[in-house]
Amino acid sequence: GENVEQHPSTLSVQEGDSAVIKCTYSDSASNYFPWYKQELGKRPQLIIDIRSNVGEKKDQRIAVTLNKTAKHFSLHITETQPEDSAVYFCAASGTTDSWGKLQFGAGTQVVVTP
Amino acid sequence: DTAVSQTPKYLVTQMGNDKSIKCEQNLGHDTMYWYKQDSKKFLKIMFSYNNKELIINETVPNRFSPKSPDKAHLNLHINSLELGDSAVYFCASSPASISGNTIYFGEGSWLTVV
Repeated sequence: GENVEQHPSTLSVQEGDSAVIKCTYSDSASNYFPWYKQELGKRPQLIIDIRSNVGEKKDQRIAVTLNKTAKHFSLHITETQPEDSAVYFCAASGTTDSWGKLQFGAGTQVVVTP
Repeated sequence: DTAVSQTPKYLVTQMGNDKSIKCEQNLGHDTMYWYKQDSKKFLKIMFSYNNKELIINETVPNRFSPKSPDKAHLNLHINSLELGDSAVYFCASSPASISGNTIYFGEGSWLTVV
């Protein structure tokens, strides 16, 4: 089955700096890669996603890149703000027998200090 | 107008008890899930139902039994609760698709076994 590894496990950045989180996946048939943000005590919520027919996607201060050959994808947050502090999860899914099952990475705790 | 709602939000119970968590979605999705998030924040899928049919059953003790009376509801019953069952349980739903799709999470049910 799919295996997703996520690094780093914790990331501290100064407000205004950029943050980058990297994930690798094992199943070359996976074709959907979402990123979820989970604030303390809240549910995980989708912030951006990318499908395997696209190499990069951007939404305001966040962007995701996908390298299918290397089987890795990354989340980039620019001009970080204190409200970006949260746990971020990458995930992968899409093989024909997975029924949309998302395999999550272990999460990255991002702390943005003013 | 919560899209995926689950009850109760907090549950404290003694070892050996039996408890249930209920989940309902009003998004018209065909697929529903139960995810478990442990103390280290790792999100792990437990079960998935598509149109009331069990399609994913990960390695979960048979003390956990899901039930889907219709495609909008997926309940989780846990027998003989153990200390290690303490976790946050997230219900989720998504449109049925074999190509990967967005999963929408409920607010979570915090289960503490004492």
